[in-house]
Amino acid sequence: DVKVTQSSRYLVKRTGEKVFLECVQDMDHENMFWYRQDPGLGLRLIYFSYDVKMKEKGDIPEGYSVSREKKERFSLILESASTNQTSMYLCAGSPTLGAKGNTIYFGEGSWLTVV
Amino acid sequence: AQSVSQHNHHVILSEAASLELGCNYSYGGTVNLFWYVQYPGQHLQLLLKYFSGDPLVKGIKGFEAEFIKSKFSFNLRKPSVQWSDTAEYFCAVRPMGAGSYQLTFGKGTKLSVIP
Repeated sequence: DVKVTQSSRYLVKRTGEKVFLECVQDMDHENMFWYRQDPGLGLRLIYFSYDVKMKEKGDIPEGYSVSREKKERFSLILESASTNQTSMYLCAGSPTLGAKGNTIYFGEGSWLTVV
Repeated sequence: AQSVSQHNHHVILSEAASLELGCNYSYGGTVNLFWYVQYPGQHLQLLLKYFSGDPLVKGIKGFEAEFIKSKFSFNLRKPSVQWSDTAEYFCAVRPMGAGSYQLTFGKGTKLSVIP
């Protein structure tokens, strides 16, 4: 079974704190993604990475950064958490898009509350 | 950039009723199309996907979807819903081709099935 593991399911942080959300995949996939999910807005892409040390901005990168030092690990960083970053964060992985395309596999999500 | 539109925010059906959830996308080139489902308290799971070939795709749990290229649509159907189908459903599109990594989601449709 493919597996994407997010280290924290529930976090509560204070405004201004630096927050790390960790994600590990065991599929040897090149591509990894961070989304946030908000009611009525669906999933919105924050950042993605298509290789180690490579990263690309998604649709809503402001206030976030990422780190991919190893293939299996993709971290999302909130440099200074704000209340509007309270959300469910989803990590995902997929192999490089081939001729037939490939599926993206999601982790269970991390609920972050910023107070 | 591509976008995905799901027509209904919330659908309420009685058990045994037929289901059709609309999904339209905007992208001029070739795409992969997906439907994901999120049951209450659970992570996103792949329901079905279209890459190429037969435009009528069958997925798990009796769901199917039809890709109509001329209408840029990928509607999800099920002839007879069950209470256990209560969940949120997300349509997603991924462009094919070099450098195409991003999976774009619709805002989701909540399905409530009344016993």
